[in-house]
Amino acid sequence: AQKVTQAQTEISVVEKEDVTLDCVYETRDTTYYLFWYKQPPSGELVFLIRRNSFDEQNEISGRYSWNFQKSTSSFNFTITASQVVDSAVYFCALSGNNRLAFGKGNQVVVIP
Amino acid sequence: EAQVTQNPRYLITVTGKKLTVTCSQNMNHEYMSWYRQDPGLGLRQIYYSMNVEVTDKGDVPEGYKVSRKEKRNFPLILESPSPNQTSLYFCASTRLGTDTQYFGPGTRLTVL
Repeated sequence: AQKVTQAQTEISVVEKEDVTLDCVYETRDTTYYLFWYKQPPSGELVFLIRRNSFDEQNEISGRYSWNFQKSTSSFNFTITASQVVDSAVYFCALSGNNRLAFGKGNQVVVIP
Repeated sequence: EAQVTQNPRYLITVTGKKLTVTCSQNMNHEYMSWYRQDPGLGLRQIYYSMNVEVTDKGDVPEGYKVSRKEKRNFPLILESPSPNQTSLYFCASTRLGTDTQYFGPGTRLTVL
């Protein structure tokens, strides 16, 4: 069975601080995809990134960066110089065998 | 515009009154899925469909039915809603082989 663990439930930071969200996953599949989604207060789910299991390159997109380490089954997400608009719930997800398993989410609160 | 639509967006109903939440996508995706989101539990998959007339149970299928008569539509049916089905529901679709699921805007259901 696939499982995604996001240990921190709520994280508060002051604007311009960095915040890192941890994601640890379990799967028996050799081929799988990992995702991060953002859910702002308006409620929709916004796709941020997809990473397949064969691609361990880290990725940076603006103030967002992702660190995928297959050896520790982790796919962590860092927001650099956080802004109030980053306040949201962030979900890590794991896809395999036609199923998508989500973590419970990290509520990020950026204080101005 | 490529999108997944859900209707209604908000619904308040009473125990036992059958309801249907519609989901439609215009991207010709084979795969569609329903999730429910509850506080502290993240998103959990209810049902999914690999293609027309092919559906399968997710993690929490009890109390729900689905059908996939057309590729673009995947309605979620609650034959006899109960208060524990009060939740935020998301429909998603993806092209097989890509695994990136695109989500509808969500339907907030309250069962009294």
